[in-house]
Amino acid sequence: EAGVTQFPSHSVIEKGQTVTLRCDPISGHDNLYWYRRVMGKEIKFLLHFVKESKQDESGMPNNRFLAERTGGTYSTLKVQPAELEDSGVYFCASSPIAGSTDTQYFGPGTRLTVL
Amino acid sequence: AQSVTQPDIHITVSEGASLELRCNYSYGATPYLFWYVQSPGQGLQLLLKYFSGDTLVQGIKGFEAEFKRSQSSFNLRKPSVHWSDAAEYFCAVASPGTYKYIFGTGTRLKVLA
Repeated sequence: EAGVTQFPSHSVIEKGQTVTLRCDPISGHDNLYWYRRVMGKEIKFLLHFVKESKQDESGMPNNRFLAERTGGTYSTLKVQPAELEDSGVYFCASSPIAGSTDTQYFGPGTRLTVL
Repeated sequence: AQSVTQPDIHITVSEGASLELRCNYSYGATPYLFWYVQSPGQGLQLLLKYFSGDTLVQGIKGFEAEFKRSQSSFNLRKPSVHWSDAAEYFCAVASPGTYKYIFGTGTRLKVLA
């Protein structure tokens, strides 16, 4: 079974540019999560999808961040326009069953550097 | 608000030595508790988890953790460390019925040959 995959693994952009991160969860998993780790700090929750619906986006920093999960499969996280403080590692995770607090399976992360 | 504290940012041990990584949490009831490990270039891999029952939990790669309610702790242990255990370790908690994990800041483990 393939794990959670994320693309790209690294992205370096300039302030003001747009970047789109992609996450492919484990096939059949209803729940998809985005987290972010700013250097030296803890990994923080950004948002949670159940299938294609946003269940909780309380961790999204501001309206420069837009997450989508069309068709309830893969998800994208767009940052537009990027700011210096958006640099960090963005993790995606998935878990199988909607309505259950279950183990989350994490991808390798996308390291975003904003110059 | 829930929080997780991993007081050790860096730990260095010799190969073959025992290991204990500390994790303390702040939460009104018993949360779900997790330990994840991230090796270089890899994603976060689940080592073990505690939801209920026996407070001593066995995980993969020879790791175990003990939930101590009185101390609000969930420390990770391994009796004999291998060089391949060098990685960053994260403790996380989740409230039953919610989906948001709260992570600690991580502990980076270095293993000396």
